[in-house]
Amino acid sequence: AQSVTQLGSHVSVSEGALVLLRCNYSSSVPPYLFWYVQYPNQGLQLLLKYTSAATLVKGINGFEAEFKKSETSFHLTKPSAHMSDAAEYFCAVSDLGGQFYFGTGTSLTVIP
Amino acid sequence: DTGVSQDPRHKITKRGQNVTFRCDPISEHNRLYWYRQTLGQGPEFLTYFQNEAQLEKSRLLSDRFSAERPKGSFSTLEIQRTEQGDSAMYLCASIPSGGISEQYFGPGTRLTVT
Repeated sequence: AQSVTQLGSHVSVSEGALVLLRCNYSSSVPPYLFWYVQYPNQGLQLLLKYTSAATLVKGINGFEAEFKKSETSFHLTKPSAHMSDAAEYFCAVSDLGGQFYFGTGTSLTVIP
Repeated sequence: DTGVSQDPRHKITKRGQNVTFRCDPISEHNRLYWYRQTLGQGPEFLTYFQNEAQLEKSRLLSDRFSAERPKGSFSTLEIQRTEQGDSAMYLCASIPSGGISEQYFGPGTRLTVT
């Protein structure tokens, strides 16, 4: 079965600083990987996805992620944090059967 | 495209009561998923449908939980004899047919069992 590990349940950064949220996956086959953002009392919104095309994936709101097969990682980055980036972020992996597996999430705090 | 909708958004019920939630997926999406999310956790898979067929159920889904999608459009999730441990956000998501796509999530139904 697939699984996702998000290192760091809470991350704090200063406004304008680099955002780095970590995600490692375990998969026996090439995975499909996703990053979602969730604001309080809302559903999940897609930030970006990797589906075996370019390894560097650009998403909305200035976020990007790089697929590294050798490290089984799909870390999310943003060069400069904004106050509106404060939210919960989830990494997810999907298999060919259409089943999705989510990490436990990382709560991002942006300090003014 | 009006997105995935869920009703109600909030439900407070007493322990032992039955509750039913509804999810309306994006109209052309034939796969529909239900998840449960507790505070500080990611969504936990409960079940999913391909059209009206329920293809997989999680072991988390006890016999008090049942889901239906009778006409392959909207879906309902019923919890019988609710327990305090059922308090959570219940999320619905849908994807179109064919290939691999991201899931489109509804806003969720927050259940509080008192």
